[in-house]
Amino acid sequence: GAGVSQTPSNKVTEKGKYVELRCDPISGHTALYWYRQSLGQGPEFLIYFQGTGAADDSGLPNDRFFAVRPEGSVSTLKIQRTERGDSAVYLCASSPSPGRSGANVLTFGAGSRLTVL
Amino acid sequence: DQQVKQNSPSLSVQEGRISILNCDYTNSMFDYFLWYKKYPAEGPTFLISISSIKDKNEDGRFTVFLNKSAKHLSLHIVPSQPGDSAVYFCAAGDTGTASKLTFGTGTRLQVTL
Repeated sequence: GAGVSQTPSNKVTEKGKYVELRCDPISGHTALYWYRQSLGQGPEFLIYFQGTGAADDSGLPNDRFFAVRPEGSVSTLKIQRTERGDSAVYLCASSPSPGRSGANVLTFGAGSRLTVL
Repeated sequence: DQQVKQNSPSLSVQEGRISILNCDYTNSMFDYFLWYKKYPAEGPTFLISISSIKDKNEDGRFTVFLNKSAKHLSLHIVPSQPGDSAVYFCAAGDTGTASKLTFGTGTRLQVTL
């Protein structure tokens, strides 16, 4: 697509529930990133995919968080047993392959705002 | 451990004047830096970047200055326009870790008439 698309734009859930957030990156971008932005903070790195594989998942806060990108395009961030502290805007970004022109510039989607009650 | 710091949470500037947003970093492995602009309910959008081999990069009204010895960079916007009102994030990356970026906490710029 023309830009990075994220769904849903807003998600309200109850503590303990399971949540999936979806990201559709720019067509042809092999690199995909998930970030989390809490109120008053900058985006915080969660995980980076190069193609289908998670090249760096060092930012995932704990094992309740998991992300997949089975076909190298769309990615899903999965959060199990949600907690109130998970409330944040989850941002997805994509970029061209490392070494390609513009690879250092991430293009972000509008984000999915998650509220855990 | 905040590796990228934006110490001014907000800044107010009159239309037509210069806006200067500052950013400090601690990780000497960072070798490229970007500024992103964010409007409410939108994702951050890329504004301008600079490699560590340069000390200045200019794009229209926007100029980024890098002082590697001080581990400091700044974004200059001149002349400032009301449409520039947004939150500005400084971000830094290390080529050795792909395109993973570390962001500052942002500075909210308000350009007044």
